[in-house]
Amino acid sequence: DQQVKQNSPSLSVQEGRISILNCDYTNSMFDYFLWYKKYPAEGPTFLISISSIKDKNEDGRFTVFLNKSAKHLSLHIVPSQPGDSAVYFCAARPIGGATNKLIFGTGTLLAVQP
Amino acid sequence: NAGVMQNPRHLVRRRGQEARLRCSPMKGHSHVYWYRQLPEEGLKFMVYLQKENIIDESGMPKERFSAEFPKEGPSILRIQQVVRGDSAAYFCASSPLGHRENTEAFFGQGTRLTVV
Repeated sequence: DQQVKQNSPSLSVQEGRISILNCDYTNSMFDYFLWYKKYPAEGPTFLISISSIKDKNEDGRFTVFLNKSAKHLSLHIVPSQPGDSAVYFCAARPIGGATNKLIFGTGTLLAVQP
Repeated sequence: NAGVMQNPRHLVRRRGQEARLRCSPMKGHSHVYWYRQLPEEGLKFMVYLQKENIIDESGMPKERFSAEFPKEGPSILRIQQVVRGDSAAYFCASSPLGHRENTEAFFGQGTRLTVV
């Protein structure tokens, strides 16, 4: 039962353009959503998060949008840079759960072409 | 300030052996989470520990797996009588605060366990 889904296993984008990574969830009982970035042979690194009471959070080149009615969130990276090439995981925190007890999606591999 | 340290980075075990994975949290962090990533899958929560206490082990398999976080020393994830299906990357994360304080966790580089 995959509660957090990333349906695109990979995405290729030209340097300087926008990268849009998508994530869907099936359960309304999440109160916090996060995006992590992972390079090969390294652990995930926290990128940006959003509370379920918000619909947008921005941090530099990274913006996360949350559409609760559609149970959908997306990560926008503008402009994309070759160093952004990595696997991106979205994660959700169940209401009432511990801060970092998260449910992860399967990840999207982003390749930014120079 | 060193990050979350996991060792070994790579571990090879024969079926039936025991695997011990170690995690030293960041300095000042007293909350530790273990996750497992199977091939082609996302990270799956296993267990949440504070010093000397298991807070939530709802993601741990019922048999062969155990975890501890003693007062002194690293957190240990122990897998007894390993089977091929245990082959995965095991990640540890630590945070300074715990429940509901909205503090991100910092992940270690993981231990890649291969069972042959």
